[in-house]
Amino acid sequence: DGGITQSPKYLFRKEGQNVTLSCEQNLNHDAMYWYRQDPGQGLRLIYYSQIVNDFQKGDIAEGYSVSREKKESFPLTVTSAQKNPTAFYLCASNTPGWSNQPQHFGDGTRLSIL
Amino acid sequence: GDSVTQMEGPVTLSEEAFLTINCTYTATGYPSLFWYVQYPGEGLQLLLKATKADDKGSNKGFEATYRKETTSFHLEKGSVQVSDSAVYFCALSVTSGTYKYIFGTGTRLKVLA
Repeated sequence: DGGITQSPKYLFRKEGQNVTLSCEQNLNHDAMYWYRQDPGQGLRLIYYSQIVNDFQKGDIAEGYSVSREKKESFPLTVTSAQKNPTAFYLCASNTPGWSNQPQHFGDGTRLSIL
Repeated sequence: GDSVTQMEGPVTLSEEAFLTINCTYTATGYPSLFWYVQYPGEGLQLLLKATKADDKGSNKGFEATYRKETTSFHLEKGSVQVSDSAVYFCALSVTSGTYKYIFGTGTRLKVLA
């Protein structure tokens, strides 16, 4: 079955450390997205990519970086510049440009500080 | 600008009660509208969608009608179950110059046995 796989499910970061969250999709979607969700809060867009080798900042990109070298992969790096990284991170994908297409989500990665 | 507004939660209901979660939107162009559900510790799952005015989306006993005149897309279910306890998100997508996908803040539903 097609879907989005996020790994790991739980991740712990030490002070000053960069960590990378994986997101892989086999839905053949062109667009991929990273969201941050804080407890009891909605989704905030970090970065998105509508095509390979191109990506744009979302609403809260500071302290994060991404790459899009392959269509199926969109890893997110949480850098040491992100001072409050503890959150639930969600990856999504869809076919952009067709506004009736929903986004498909992975099961998320929960990041905590050690 | 484009936005989605949902009713504040949490919403607490007894099993078999009627559910309404309000959602209103502001958008340029002609948005498509969605409801997603999130169970604890999981990602969001599409619950239903409607792509034009007067469309009704439905799934698993949930319904929502796209009302352009009131810019609303309220979620309803006639008889909730304990298993419906989750967070529900209203969202819109619109292509008007650029492509946008906007989520509401979510409404937590708790159903008591």
